[in-house]
Amino acid sequence: DAGVIQSPRHEVTEMGQEVTLRCKPISGHDYLFWYRQTMMRGLELLIYFNNNVPIDDSGMPEDRFSAKMPNASFSTLKIQPSEPRDSAVYFCASSRTSGGAPGELFFGEGSRLTVL
Amino acid sequence: GENVEQHPSTLSVQEGDSAVIKCTYSDSASNYFPWYKQELGKRPQLIIDIRSNVGEKKDQRIAVTLNKTAKHFSLHITETQPEDSAVYFCAATRGDSSYKLIFGSGTRLLVRP
Repeated sequence: DAGVIQSPRHEVTEMGQEVTLRCKPISGHDYLFWYRQTMMRGLELLIYFNNNVPIDDSGMPEDRFSAKMPNASFSTLKIQPSEPRDSAVYFCASSRTSGGAPGELFFGEGSRLTVL
Repeated sequence: GENVEQHPSTLSVQEGDSAVIKCTYSDSASNYFPWYKQELGKRPQLIIDIRSNVGEKKDQRIAVTLNKTAKHFSLHITETQPEDSAVYFCAATRGDSSYKLIFGSGTRLLVRP
């Protein structure tokens, strides 16, 4: 298996532009998570899905952020309009429940976003 | 809501010494506690985890202990090596049976040769 695949790996954009980050989870995994990592705030959970359904989006910073999972093999995180404070590494991760218990989170390589 | 505190934020040890990283959690119903290692510029990767029905788990040079009464758990690395240098994150699930992992703030471990 290729693991969790994220694109783009790097994105540099100007303030006000729309940013779309993409994620392909590991086949067979039923949970998908979007995390944001910064030096100041560490690893923050933004939103997670179970069987393509958003379960908890309480970590989404504000209305400028939205996430979708149209099918089991694809998810997007969109920022519109982007701001310099959105600059961070965005990780997608997937997991599979095991015996009704949480399974290991497998992270993608991350998308490094820089908003100028 | 769930909160996970991690200490220390940085740790420097001599090669061969032991390293201990400690975490506390706030939700007494939390039941799953993984530890992730993140090397510079890389993704976090699971190194060990423990569930609330056991008090200790060991995997070669790495061990994790859990004290449910005090609501804290610790990572122990023995015979440290330079390749152990990385940022280590603890995490805990919320106690409502969800799979929402809350991470600690991370510990930057430096192993001096």
